[in-house]
Amino acid sequence: DTGVSQDPRHKITKRGQNVTFRCDPISEHNRLYWYRQTLGQGPEFLTYFQNEAQLEKSRLLSDRFSAERPKGSFSTLEIQRTEQGDSAMYLCASSLGQGSQETQYFGPGTRLLVL
Amino acid sequence: EDKVVQSPLSLVVHEGDTVTLNCSYEVTNFRSLLWYKQEKKAPTFLFMLTSSGIEKKSGRLSSILDKKELFSILNITATQTGDSAVYLCAVVTGTYKYIFGTGTRLKVLA
Repeated sequence: DTGVSQDPRHKITKRGQNVTFRCDPISEHNRLYWYRQTLGQGPEFLTYFQNEAQLEKSRLLSDRFSAERPKGSFSTLEIQRTEQGDSAMYLCASSLGQGSQETQYFGPGTRLLVL
Repeated sequence: EDKVVQSPLSLVVHEGDTVTLNCSYEVTNFRSLLWYKQEKKAPTFLFMLTSSGIEKKSGRLSSILDKKELFSILNITATQTGDSAVYLCAVVTGTYKYIFGTGTRLKVLA
């Protein structure tokens, strides 16, 4: 399967713990995005990378959230000191970045439950 | 602030009906508009629209964009139960940021 992959698919943690999610994009895609989705809502933009550069970060994102893409390939999203309100589906998407033909493809998501 | 608004929020129809889903947007620098279908998993790509008035078709689904009035519609003809899903509209901005609407939840009854 050469699509976007995410790991883990599910994560249950206790409030106050740190969690880290991984995303492996489609190999030739240079843009990588992170979203959060809660029930009944569309994906909410968190941040995105072009190669290893983090180009934009949502101002709604607290400083407990950090993302990296050190070599321009896979990316990690870390949430420190988790809160119950962080419970959501975390989606990763990648795109080729070809101007007007820009199209994102999503991974299966990581579902986080904070107890 | 950039925003995308979809309507209706939910819709229940019977098999064979035709449905029209709406997406309106306000963004400072528009690049393209995309439609996705989301079942109980990640969204899957349906259409990308960049030019006004050019219809995109795939089987029973079609979509068109109006850049003057800032909206798009997604039509599904002869609906089937397998069309039941959430349909998401997203606008790509000049900085390649994707702004999603809340989606339209479609349920097709047999």
